[in-house]
Amino acid sequence: DTGVSQDPRHKITKRGQNVTFRCDPISEHNRLYWYRQTLGQGPEFLTYFQNEAQLEKSRLLSDRFSAERPKGSFSTLEIQRTEQGDSAMYLCASSLWGKGGNQPQHFGDGTRLSIL
Amino acid sequence: SQQGEEDPQALSIQEGENATMNCSYKTSINNLQWYRQNSGRGLVHLILIRSNEREKHSGRLRVTLDTSKKSSSLLITASRAADTASYFCARRPISNFGNEKLTFGTGTRLTIIP
Repeated sequence: DTGVSQDPRHKITKRGQNVTFRCDPISEHNRLYWYRQTLGQGPEFLTYFQNEAQLEKSRLLSDRFSAERPKGSFSTLEIQRTEQGDSAMYLCASSLWGKGGNQPQHFGDGTRLSIL
Repeated sequence: SQQGEEDPQALSIQEGENATMNCSYKTSINNLQWYRQNSGRGLVHLILIRSNEREKHSGRLRVTLDTSKKSSSLLITASRAADTASYFCARRPISNFGNEKLTFGTGTRLTIIP
């Protein structure tokens, strides 16, 4: 169990640029979640996958955001035409669903995005 | 929007003292989880308590849940400097669709003074 890994840890970009983040979940976990956390706040749910299927998207996830989990393993989160308001920590979490429920989510260290 | 709040927002205590944080929520839950977050890092899972449980322990941590009052508390006994962090409660709502998405509060910032 190597934990949830996120890359990059930090990303600084100019407004209007596209960015992509990667998340590698714990290997046996079939569920993968993306959250966004702004300064002084708790994480807010963005979207989640069960295997390769994206099952729910928050209204926070505008059409500039897209997430994929093509092979049911790693996931990417892309933000197109970044805006100042996109500056935040993007957290990925994974869990094992279907083994009796009530399983905790395990979080990565996040990608901190700063928009100049 | 985030449902429920942690209380207090910030807490400073001397090393060795006990720290108590509270969490209130609005909608019925399947379970409630407590997480710790060190500055600039991800969240570390501490304890999960199911809606039919009233108390759970893990080392120096004790969590209680009162579903009638829609509240939970986290007690850290014999605090250490390493306990300095933000603590969040996260609610998993009752769902017919198996979605385990969590709803977090704004957290309690705990500072342990050596």
